[in-house]
Amino acid sequence: EAGVAQSPRYKIIEKRQSVAFWCNPISGHATLYWYQQILGQGPKLLIQFQNNGVVDDSQLPKDRFSAERLKGVDSTLKIQPAKLEDSAVYLCASSQRTLLMNTEAFFGQGTRLTVV
Amino acid sequence: QKEVEQDPGPLSVPEGAIVSLNCTYSNSAFQYFMWYRQYSRKGPELLMYTYSSGNKEDGRFTAQVDKSSKYISLFIRDSQPSDSATYLCAMSDQGAQKLVFGQGTRLTINP
Repeated sequence: EAGVAQSPRYKIIEKRQSVAFWCNPISGHATLYWYQQILGQGPKLLIQFQNNGVVDDSQLPKDRFSAERLKGVDSTLKIQPAKLEDSAVYLCASSQRTLLMNTEAFFGQGTRLTVV
Repeated sequence: QKEVEQDPGPLSVPEGAIVSLNCTYSNSAFQYFMWYRQYSRKGPELLMYTYSSGNKEDGRFTAQVDKSSKYISLFIRDSQPSDSATYLCAMSDQGAQKLVFGQGTRLTINP
C-alpha cells in the first residue's frame, strides 16, 4: 500500500513570497489533514477535510493560508505572503472514516519550509 | 492552558532501561489516545492506540490511560538505541473529528 505522498520535501523562500505544497493521500482515505510542526513542538492542526469538505479550519491563518481538496483526493496548501514565523514542517496525513470515527492517521514525510 | 501537555525533555537513558513517557490533558471528551513515534526528518508513525481507560501492551511497549486523572503513559521496556526518537501523544474525541497532539518528548537511548 502506497503511503501519503508530499512534495516538495524542502523549500526555501524569501518572506512575502508565496509557496504551495501538494499532498496525495492514501487511496480511499476520506479524511485529509494538514498540520504545521514548528521545530521542537508537536503538530498543530491547520485544516481537516472530509472528502472535499472542510471539517475544521479554526487554526488556519486565513489571511495568508489557503487549502483546497479538489475531487476529494489530492490537496494543496498555499501560503501567500509568507512570514518568517511560517518556517516549519508541513505534514499531510490521511485516514479512513467509518460511521463512528476516523481510524489511524497516516502521515507523509512532510515539507520543510524555511522562510528567510 | 493547552489541551494536551507533554514534557518536552530531552530524556536520555542507557540501553536496557525502562522508559516512562507521560501526557496530561484537560478535555474530558477525549476518548481515543495514541502514541506516535517520529524519527528525525520523518513524519509521525502510530505506535499505540487505546480507547478509553486501561492498559494495552504490544511487545516492549505498554500504553496506560487513566481518564479519572486525565493522564496517559507510555512505557518502553528493554529500551534499544533504535528507540531514540521523539514520542508524541495524541488524542481525539468520540467521532474523532480532531486529533490533538502534545509537544513531543525527545528520547535518546545510549548504547
